[in-house]
Amino acid sequence: KQEVTQIPAALSVPEGENLVLNCSFTDSAIYNLQWFRQDPGKGLTSLLLIQSSQREQTSGRLNASLDKSSGRSTLYIAASQPGDSATYLCAVQAGTALIFGKGTTLSVSS
Amino acid sequence: DGGITQSPKYLFRKEGQNVTLSCEQNLNHDAMYWYRQDPGQGLRLIYYSQIVNDFQKGDIAEGYSVSREKKESFPLTVTSAQKNPTAFYLCASSIGRAAYEQYFGPGTRLTVT
Repeated sequence: KQEVTQIPAALSVPEGENLVLNCSFTDSAIYNLQWFRQDPGKGLTSLLLIQSSQREQTSGRLNASLDKSSGRSTLYIAASQPGDSATYLCAVQAGTALIFGKGTTLSVSS
Repeated sequence: DGGITQSPKYLFRKEGQNVTLSCEQNLNHDAMYWYRQDPGQGLRLIYYSQIVNDFQKGDIAEGYSVSREKKESFPLTVTSAQKNPTAFYLCASSIGRAAYEQYFGPGTRLTVT
């Protein structure tokens, strides 16, 4: 059964730091991996989608990588800002639906 | 604006009552999904539908029911048989059933007392 783990569970950094969020999954047979952002009490906002044939995707200050063979993905956030404070969720799609990790809660202080 | 709407944002019910959560999308997506989110846990799939008049159970379907009479609508009913219904419910949609990006609505927070 596919399991998704995100480390760390929480992270606090000062504004301007570059940071990396980690996601690991147990079964490499996936269609894609998605990174989401969730603000308190809100829905999920899709940040990046990496298809299984891709190695990375970039959007602005965000860069996500995928290593299927090792079952790992990282989300790199450059020059962090207080507005980046949120919970970041990683999810893999192996069948019809997504399998989610529990998320990393990021706090960026000014 | 294209997107997914869920209503209401907050819902309060007494134990033993059935309640229906609304999910509407105008993205012309074929597939729709319902997830449940509890504190400290990842999202878990309740039901999904790949096409009108067809739907499948997810990992935690017990105590829930759905219908898909229209492409744009996928309501979820939380029945009195659901043991722990208090949670945050999220609806999502995608173009197709697999390997496509999923888009999420704003969620409905259900509290049952």
